[in-house]
Amino acid sequence: GESVGLHLPTLSVQEGDNSIINCAYSNSASDYFIWYKQESGKGPQFIIDIRSNMDKRQGQRVTVLLNKTVKHLSLQIAATQPGDSAVYFCAEKGWRNYKLTFGKGTLLTVNP
Amino acid sequence: DVKVTQSSRYLVKRTGEKVFLECVQDMDHENMFWYRQDPGLGLRLIYFSYDVKMKEKGDIPEGYSVSREKKERFSLILESASTNQTSMYLCASSYRVDTEAFFGQGTRLTVV
Repeated sequence: GESVGLHLPTLSVQEGDNSIINCAYSNSASDYFIWYKQESGKGPQFIIDIRSNMDKRQGQRVTVLLNKTVKHLSLQIAATQPGDSAVYFCAEKGWRNYKLTFGKGTLLTVNP
Repeated sequence: DVKVTQSSRYLVKRTGEKVFLECVQDMDHENMFWYRQDPGLGLRLIYFSYDVKMKEKGDIPEGYSVSREKKERFSLILESASTNQTSMYLCASSYRVDTEAFFGQGTRLTVV
């Protein structure tokens, strides 16, 4: 999602609920997408990736969905836990391009 | 596990000083990156390197230079630190151009 000024988009969920974090990307030539999690005071941590020849990929409690038609990426977290509270970034990259372009991030808060 | 280590978590430097930020990775990765992270602006690429002694400018190279004399080490240099370079600096490395980047813990630099 887009951020306005210094404020990140936020998502607040109850512990145990499923979370969906969305990301729109702009480059139709992007062929590789990554989701990162960043906890306060730490560097981004890889969660899951997906290539453009796929539309869905699952990991442990996480699923990434890719809709190339509308250039949209989403991260689904099942049974959200307090430890999932963090800022989540999507990143995209074009074929043979070294540069990852990051979204502004979404702040996920999990309420006990 | 991949480890990307940044030499300092926190630094305070004076305006005009030459500042060195060091990054070391232990997984024999070809590619290394320097990003800065600012509220509301997300992660922006400063420089990257795809091989020893090779470097490419990212989106915001002005005021910075880099050095990669050995494969495992990538240094970011602020030639003459200014207050607008106060930021969180993140180093990352990746095995190939189409694989995920792993990040260090970050260096929070304050220029006074």
